[in-house]
Amino acid sequence: NAGVTQTPKFRILKIGQSMTLQCTQDMNHNYMYWYRQDPGMGLKLIYYSVGAGITDKGEVPNGYNVSRSTTEDFPLRLELAAPSQTSVYFCASSYTGIRSPGRGSPQHFGDGTRLSIL
Amino acid sequence: RKEVEQDPGPFNVPEGATVAFNCTYSNSASQSFFWYRQDCRKEPKLLMSVYSSGNEDGRFTAQLNRASQYISLLIRDSKLSDSATYLCVVNLLPRITGGGNKLTFGTGTQLKVEL
Repeated sequence: NAGVTQTPKFRILKIGQSMTLQCTQDMNHNYMYWYRQDPGMGLKLIYYSVGAGITDKGEVPNGYNVSRSTTEDFPLRLELAAPSQTSVYFCASSYTGIRSPGRGSPQHFGDGTRLSIL
Repeated sequence: RKEVEQDPGPFNVPEGATVAFNCTYSNSASQSFFWYRQDCRKEPKLLMSVYSSGNEDGRFTAQLNRASQYISLLIRDSKLSDSATYLCVVNLLPRITGGGNKLTFGTGTQLKVEL
């Protein structure tokens, strides 16, 4: 069972280049998320999706775009890479909604993409 | 005030010790709580959910105090393999169904278990 798969694992970009970080999950989760984690810092939510065709901004969406054409895939696009976007990017997915009061759904993470912009 | 606050540590403890981490959250409407573990340069992994009545999983015990808005994690009989960063995670349920089940992560408490 693969869970959440991210590609590539590492990438170096030049300023101004664009790229797409891929994320796919095989758990039939409706909810998917993109986070970034800077060194020594917590995770910050970039974008999330509650289902195919539906996306919404998180805490730090500027400079990124997402799409969700299928339940399985949630790619993250950087259009004009900037040094401030050097980070580790994690994709996650979760079960839809809340099972019962106080019993929220945990998120399952991919193993990350380490991105450096020079 | 941060939404989720943790002591960053590091906590350096000998093998076999008992260690406790606390975490405070600012939004009283928070509904679900978790502890995640993150090894160096790896993805966060769910350690355990935190239930209102408190819960235990082997050497790990989680407690929730809603009145004081804090969560705790107790690790007994620490192992070398417990060395990691422990993330406190809070879920503020959306008012409207389908709002995303968004989690807020603390910056983590680093634990180092030594021989």
